[in-house]
Parts: sequence; C-alpha cells; structure tokens
Amino acid sequence: DSGVTQTPKHLITATGQRVTLRCSPRSGDLSVYWYQQSLDQGLQFLIQYYNGEERAKGNILERFSAQQFPDLHSELNLSSLELGDSALYFCASAATSGSSFPDTQYFGPGTRLTVL
Amino acid sequence: EDKVVQSPLSLVVHEGDTVTLNCSYEVTNFRSLLWYKQEKKAPTFLFMLTSSGIEKKSGRLSSILDKKELFSILNITATQTGDSAVYLCAVEAISGSGDKLTFGTGTRLAVRP
Repeated sequence: DSGVTQTPKHLITATGQRVTLRCSPRSGDLSVYWYQQSLDQGLQFLIQYYNGEERAKGNILERFSAQQFPDLHSELNLSSLELGDSALYFCASAATSGSSFPDTQYFGPGTRLTVL
Repeated sequence: EDKVVQSPLSLVVHEGDTVTLNCSYEVTNFRSLLWYKQEKKAPTFLFMLTSSGIEKKSGRLSSILDKKELFSILNITATQTGDSAVYLCAVEAISGSGDKLTFGTGTRLAVRP
C-alpha cells in the first residue's frame, strides 16, 4: 500500500459525459501527478500540481483539467468524454524535490475509466 | 518531439537466467532517466539515473546510463518468477513550463519456473 488513495476504482460512463477522479496523496507529500495509461498510448504524464499550483504540464487534452485543493487532495476532471479516453488513470504523490520528477513517486492504485 | 524506445517488447526466460532490457531516447534538455516495474497495478519506482557510467544497484537489479549514446540498460540477474512484470523506462526533459516525462511502451518480461 503506497499511501496514495484514488476514488473511484472503476467508472463506466457514456460518450459526451463528464467525470471527476479524486486522489489523496500520502501524508506530507505536496506534489501530485496525474497519468493516463491506455492500451494504444502506454503510460503518459498528464499534469503535476505542487502545493496547490500547477507546476508541469504533459500531454493533457484541453477537455481535461485538474486542480489541487488546500488539503492537498487533487481532482482530475474529464469532460466531453470520447471512447478513446477509456484508460487507467493513475495519481502519484511525492515529497518536495529540486526537479519536477523526484526519484521516488508513490503511485495510487488507479481509476479504471470505461467510456461506452 | 521527445521519444523513448524500449526493446525488446517482450521476453520470456527461465528462472535463473540473466536479462538485459534496453531503453534508448531522444529528448531535448535531458534531466534524468527512470525505470519502473509494473505488475498488475501501479508502477513502482526502481532507479533514477542522471549521470553517465555510474551503475545503480538494488539486489539483483542494476542499471546504467550512457548519455553520449543516449541509452540505458536494466539488468536482472538470477531471475525469479516474481520478476515477471512490465518494465517501463521514462525520460525527464527540462522545459520552461515544467519538466516533461515521456515513457517508453515497456518491455514485458515473463519468467518461467
């Protein structure tokens, strides 16, 4: 158990809908990272927040957005969902570091999103 | 566009064998290379490499980076069935708008008893 929690575990929805994925980082970790893992694209970095502020942006679509709240939990919002958004979405957390990607990130168990 | 290529895509070995996994990359403004192991669920961190020629070791696993030839290898000696997993290589690139992390597609390793 990494100490990072993600809810829900599974989510099934229809095209065009909007969903919110939630992540609670490990106690004391200020950075939260979101990743998408799909069969055709592999693992992709989406976005990073550090202490409430966006710090780095990867291959995140404009239909997706994220935020980190004062209690450090984070939410990833996916809107106008398409079939291709079906994937496993991971959140990871880390303590502070000089670089955006520290030597240790703790991954949550993931949320499996299925878009029908 | 940053690129990370892993080979082989898939590998089947017997317990006790030694395996070498490869990762080559093309990125602008390299910062670090990371290796992860992914079993059924989330990836777990193995190594972070930033300097050429310095081997990092953890038990039966070791890794080294060559920044001149732009590749890294991950070695696993005396493989065990518990080593069966997908091994992911990722490269971090420095960017003005925040560092970027690009993953390879992974090498799927199966270790047979």
